[in-house]
Amino acid sequence: QSALTQPPSASGSPGQSVTISCTGTSSDVGGYSYVSWYQQHPGKAPQIMIYEVTKRPSGVPDRFSGSKSGNTASLTVSGLQAEDEADYYCSSYAGSNVVVFGGGTKLTVL
Amino acid sequence: QVQLVESGGGVVQPGRSLRLSCVVSGFTLSSSGMHWVRQAPGKGLEWLTVISYDGSKKYYTDSVKGRFTISRDISKNTLYLQMDSLRADDTAVYYCAKGQSWSAFNWGQGTLVTVSS
Repeated sequence: QSALTQPPSASGSPGQSVTISCTGTSSDVGGYSYVSWYQQHPGKAPQIMIYEVTKRPSGVPDRFSGSKSGNTASLTVSGLQAEDEADYYCSSYAGSNVVVFGGGTKLTVL
Repeated sequence: QVQLVESGGGVVQPGRSLRLSCVVSGFTLSSSGMHWVRQAPGKGLEWLTVISYDGSKKYYTDSVKGRFTISRDISKNTLYLQMDSLRADDTAVYYCAKGQSWSAFNWGQGTLVTVSS
C-alpha cells in the first residue's frame, strides 16, 4: 500500500496546458482502470474531477482530461484559468479492496 | 442533491476513543459504498476504509486495521467511524465520501480530530 508518486508542483500561464503525472506500479495504476483525480482548494474538501482514468463527472469542465500509459496516469488541464490553481491528487484501486492516493501536486497559475 | 455532513471531531487524549458520524441525504446508504479519507495538517489525502453498499464487506488500510471500525445505520442515514487507541499521528481532518467505481464521488466538509495530551 505505497503512495502513488506525483510531482510536488506544476505551473502554467493562463490559457496554456499543463499535465500532472501519477506513477504507481502494475499492482495499482497499471493493473486497473480505476484511477481518479481530485481538486482541492485551500480549506475546502476535495472534489472529484476524473474517474475510471478518463471519465468526467457532470459539471466538470472538458478542459480537464485524464489518460494512462502503463503504470503512469496523467491529468491534463487545458486553457488554464486562475480558478484552476489548487492541489491535485490522484488515487487508484490497488487490489485487495484498498485504495491508494498520490502525495499531491500544487498547481500554480502564473 | 447529495449531501454529507460529518461530526464528532474534537480533542482527545492518546489511547482514547472517538466516534465520527456522517449524516447523508439525497441518496440512501444501501445504494452506495462509502469511504472515510483523512488529511493530516498540511499533508496529503490518505484513504482509510470502505464499506460495501450492502454493509457486508469492510476493508481498511494497514495503518488503521484493528483500531478503526466502519459501520452504518440505514434507518438514521448515518455512516460511522469508530476510532480506538488513538495516536498523535491520527490527528487529521476526516472526510466521509460516497463511493463509485473505487472513487470518492461526493465529499463532506470534514471534521477535525486532534489527538493530544
